[in-house]
Amino acid sequence: GESVGLHLPTLSVQEGDNSIINCAYSNSASDYFIWYKQESGKGPQFIIDIRSNMDKRQGQRVTVLLNKTVKHLSLQIAATQPGDSAVYFCAENIRPGNQFYFGTGTSLTVIP
Amino acid sequence: DVKVTQSSRYLVKRTGEKVFLECVQDMDHENMFWYRQDPGLGLRLIYFSYDVKMKEKGDIPEGYSVSREKKERFSLILESASTNQTSMYLCASSRGAGGQGQYFGPGTRLTVT
Repeated sequence: GESVGLHLPTLSVQEGDNSIINCAYSNSASDYFIWYKQESGKGPQFIIDIRSNMDKRQGQRVTVLLNKTVKHLSLQIAATQPGDSAVYFCAENIRPGNQFYFGTGTSLTVIP
Repeated sequence: DVKVTQSSRYLVKRTGEKVFLECVQDMDHENMFWYRQDPGLGLRLIYFSYDVKMKEKGDIPEGYSVSREKKERFSLILESASTNQTSMYLCASSRGAGGQGQYFGPGTRLTVT
């Protein structure tokens, strides 16, 4: 999972396997969350979002799970592909403002 | 699709120079943000703006200023660049009130020598 610090957590998975990336968010008042994917040398790319009134949301090959009790967010990627190799990080929004707080990210490497 | 563009992908400047980083978004978003990204520290908010001519300090505004003269453009200014401002700078925009996704530009890798 993600953590604040100098070392980026890493996850290596075999192509075709499912990946699970975790994030512990900080504020119980946060009510909107986003997962971003950042490939090397590029800006973060919006993957999927979820609001606090939901526990689960599915996209194409991705699912986000939210556990408000323990302030935990996870991103599941089905049938992981080499193109999924990137850094993934979560962001939390505390309404009504527009600021987000970002995790430091998890580096996912897909082994062909 | 939202498009956020940044004026330069790579920039090398000398200590003491004045540096302008430009960001333009084409989706009529009200909100714009400047972040810097450093290894192990994640994204840190420098400044943001909710409207034209409005600006708010983020978590690390020291050494930076911003300008938002038009809705689509948000500029980050380093008045006198220092080596500790070597970083990846990311611009983002979002619509309206909170609870809307932020969309990022490709980033500018600034090196100050």
